[in-house]
Amino acid sequence: GAVVSQHPSRVICKSGTSVKIECRSLDFQATTMFWYRQFPKKSLMLMATSNEGSKATYEQGVEKDKFLINHASLTLSTLTVTSAHPEDSSFYICSAIPAEPGNFFLYEQYFGPGTRLTVT
Amino acid sequence: KNQVEQSPQSLIILEGKNCTLQCNYTVSPFSNLRWYKQDTGRGPVSLTIMTFSENTKSNGRYTATLDADTKQSSLHITASQLSDSASYICVVSGGSSASKIIFGSGTRLSIRP
Repeated sequence: GAVVSQHPSRVICKSGTSVKIECRSLDFQATTMFWYRQFPKKSLMLMATSNEGSKATYEQGVEKDKFLINHASLTLSTLTVTSAHPEDSSFYICSAIPAEPGNFFLYEQYFGPGTRLTVT
Repeated sequence: KNQVEQSPQSLIILEGKNCTLQCNYTVSPFSNLRWYKQDTGRGPVSLTIMTFSENTKSNGRYTATLDADTKQSSLHITASQLSDSASYICVVSGGSSASKIIFGSGTRLSIRP
């Protein structure tokens, strides 16, 4: 089956620093990737839709200058949390869809294993 | 407003017992409904996907049902195992722009030996 990896799985950083999280589709090409964050005992909250070769689409309330998304290739999207604060501590999950943009909801989302970010 | 509501919020059952999780949605127009299993600290894994014309779909001990008229779905787990302890998330796709993926808040299932 389709596999999505995330790196790192856990990261601890100090307030004010930036941290980059990678999301890779290992055995398929993904023109569309999604980034979610999840708080303890809560469901996933969509942050942004990452489209290969174009700017990401952010959900309402998500600061695009704080959460930088780069989808530079068909198998890699990165999320950079800039000037991290303790309230950014969360579980970040990406997903990828092996489909063309525009009809992504018809296809299966393959989720990565998640990245636990702790900001001290 | 497009919404997906799941019940119960949490559930504890004994190993070997059956259970049923509920999902009600108001997403319209409807495209498909998926059930995911998410282990603690892991990403969700797909269990079933159902479209408008499908009423029942099984995946091993998991059986999902869909009533598109009442906009309700259920996930039935048979002969529960300790490894079934996880969060189960209902996700509905569709929406007015036909491009929305809406997550339910999940049901946290705990299986006790």
